[in-house]
Amino acid sequence: DAKTTQPTSMDCAEGRAANLPCNHSTISGNEYVYWYRQIHSQGPQYIIHGLKNNETNEMASLIITEDRKSSTLILPHATLRDTAVYYCIVQGTYKYIFGTGTRLKVLA
Amino acid sequence: SAVISQKPSRDICQRGTSLTIQCQVDSQVTMMFWYRQQPGQSLTLIATANQGSEATYESGFVIDKFPISRPNLTFSTLTVSNMSPEDSSIYLCSVDLTSGGINEQFFGPGTRLTVL
Repeated sequence: DAKTTQPTSMDCAEGRAANLPCNHSTISGNEYVYWYRQIHSQGPQYIIHGLKNNETNEMASLIITEDRKSSTLILPHATLRDTAVYYCIVQGTYKYIFGTGTRLKVLA
Repeated sequence: SAVISQKPSRDICQRGTSLTIQCQVDSQVTMMFWYRQQPGQSLTLIATANQGSEATYESGFVIDKFPISRPNLTFSTLTVSNMSPEDSSIYLCSVDLTSGGINEQFFGPGTRLTVL
C-alpha cells in the first residue's frame, strides 16, 4: 500500500474553507484515496474517497491531481466541531495503513 | 453502514495480567480488523480477523501476545496478554463493508486501556 504524507498540523478560522493536503506519490492505478477524521480519540469517521475524479458530498470535497500523486480535502465552511485529526489513506488491498494525519484546529 | 460496539470502553489493569476486548457488529461482516493507537499516535493495524480462519498479524504483532477469536460473522475478541505499561493504548476494532466494489471501514468507539 502506498504511503501518504500530510502536514502535522493546521489552523483554520471558523467559517473559512479548510484545505488539507496529502501527498501520495507512490500511488498505483487501482488504489483509492480515502479520508477519515478522528475527534477526541473516538473511532475514525469516514469523510470521502475517490479514485481519479474530484468528489463532493455533504461533508467535504476531494480534489485529486491529474497525476494522482496528491490530493486535497476541502471543508468548505469549517466549524469548531471540525477540529480533529484528519487521515489521508491510500487503499489498494483491504487494509488501511494510517499515516500520521493532520491535526486541524478551527479557531473561533 | 455498520454500528459497532466494544466492551469494555476503558479499563485499568495490573502488569502481568490479560484483558479480553469484545467487538460486536450489528450486521454480518467477513472482515474485521483490530488496531492499536498509542498515546498521541496514529492507528496501527494489529491483525485482520476473518471468520473461519486464523487471524493474520501485521509485522511486530504476534498471536501469543494478541490472540484473536472470530467465532461468527458479528463478533470478535482481542486479548492483550501479559500486559506491561507499554500496552497502554486505545484498541479499536473495525469492519470492512464493500458496496459497489468500494471498500469502506467502520470503526468502533475504542477501548482505552491503562496498564499500571
